[in-house]
Amino acid sequence: GQNIDQPTEMTATEGAIVQINCTYQTSGFNGLFWYQQHAGEAPTFLSYNVLDGLEEKGRFSSFLSRSKGYSYLLLKELQMKDSASYLCAVNAGNNRKLIWGLGTSLAVNP
Amino acid sequence: DTEVTQTPKHLVMGMTNKKSLKCEQHMGHRAMYWYKQKAKKPPELMFVYSYEKLSINESVPSRFSPECPNSSLLNLHLHALQPEDSALYLCASSQDLGVDQYFGPGTRLTVT
Repeated sequence: GQNIDQPTEMTATEGAIVQINCTYQTSGFNGLFWYQQHAGEAPTFLSYNVLDGLEEKGRFSSFLSRSKGYSYLLLKELQMKDSASYLCAVNAGNNRKLIWGLGTSLAVNP
Repeated sequence: DTEVTQTPKHLVMGMTNKKSLKCEQHMGHRAMYWYKQKAKKPPELMFVYSYEKLSINESVPSRFSPECPNSSLLNLHLHALQPEDSALYLCASSQDLGVDQYFGPGTRLTVT
């Protein structure tokens, strides 16, 4: 079967660092994506990892370990506008459709 | 142009109506997608077009009918919907299958 796990909710303080974890068990693996979605809006692409290691993009970084079926999204210098749902999605299998996690709702408090 | 546009933004329709949702992208992407999203749930894939051909149909009821008139346009024709079909309908596009997808703002559909 195909399964992606992420924490349901997280809270953090403005200016702090937060790490959102994602573990996956899929029949194949062709890459992992992180998306941000504010309430009532469309998902926005954040990052893509296909090889092991850390990808850094400004305040956001994403890490992948294929052997462990594990990824995390690291958000630094948190801002109030970072309060959103963060979705982990895996490209698995030959048809290349994305398998989506249920999302992690992050609340950033002042 | 790095946007995916969708019209209308909001749509209210009765169960006997026929309506269409429209999506357009000018990024030269060759894959386009329709998703349905309910509150506090991830997007649920409905259809995928690759090079203007239907690539994936996730066993969607026939009251939803997709159409890809050309490489930039994607339509979703709606007929005889049910109240449980009320949701946010998202269009997305990507350079090819399996790479990063870019979403339009969505159409908020309410079926009465």
